[in-house]
Amino acid sequence: AQTVTQSQPEMSVQEAETVTLSCTYDTSESDYYLFWYKQPPSRQMILVIRQEAYKQQNATENRFSVNFQKAAKSFSLKISDSQLGDAAMYFCAYRSVPFNQAGTALIFGKGTTLSVSS
Amino acid sequence: DGGITQSPKYLFRKEGQNVTLSCEQNLNHDAMYWYRQDPGQGLRLIYYSQIVNDFQKGDIAEGYSVSREKKESFPLTVTSAQKNPTAFYLCASSIGRTDTQYFGPGTRLTVL
Repeated sequence: AQTVTQSQPEMSVQEAETVTLSCTYDTSESDYYLFWYKQPPSRQMILVIRQEAYKQQNATENRFSVNFQKAAKSFSLKISDSQLGDAAMYFCAYRSVPFNQAGTALIFGKGTTLSVSS
Repeated sequence: DGGITQSPKYLFRKEGQNVTLSCEQNLNHDAMYWYRQDPGQGLRLIYYSQIVNDFQKGDIAEGYSVSREKKESFPLTVTSAQKNPTAFYLCASSIGRTDTQYFGPGTRLTVL
């Protein structure tokens, strides 16, 4: 079974600085998707970024980028120019690519709480 | 506006009661999911449905039941058999089986 591990329960960063959140996963599959979701105090889960395993290029969304190392099964999130609104819990998630119509759901890590100070 | 709605936002249940959490989406998504979130934990899958009238158990389905009679709706019933139901429940949907999941705002269930 696949597992996702986030080894940093809490991280902190100052405004305008850069922070990197770590995520490792375990799988025997060759094709899959990886995601970072953000959960602010409102508790709404918001998609931050998505990476397809077959793509070698790292995904980027504005100030958010990932470092995807497939061989190492590592998927870290880098937040540049941190803002107060980035303060939230961040979850790394894994999703298989189904071979049939049954489909698959997300497997989540336990999350990293990011605090941003001014 | 397209989106996913969950109701109620807060729900209180007495021990021994069944309660139903609502999840509706107007995104025309085929797939819908229910997750449970406990403090300090990631989300865990309860049930998911890829098409109408079909659903599969997730990792923690015991004590829960679902139905999928309409594409737009995927209600979750928390039965009295669920021993520790106090948690935050999130519903999600995706266009298809491989697409990104988008989440509703969640329901906080508390057992009194």
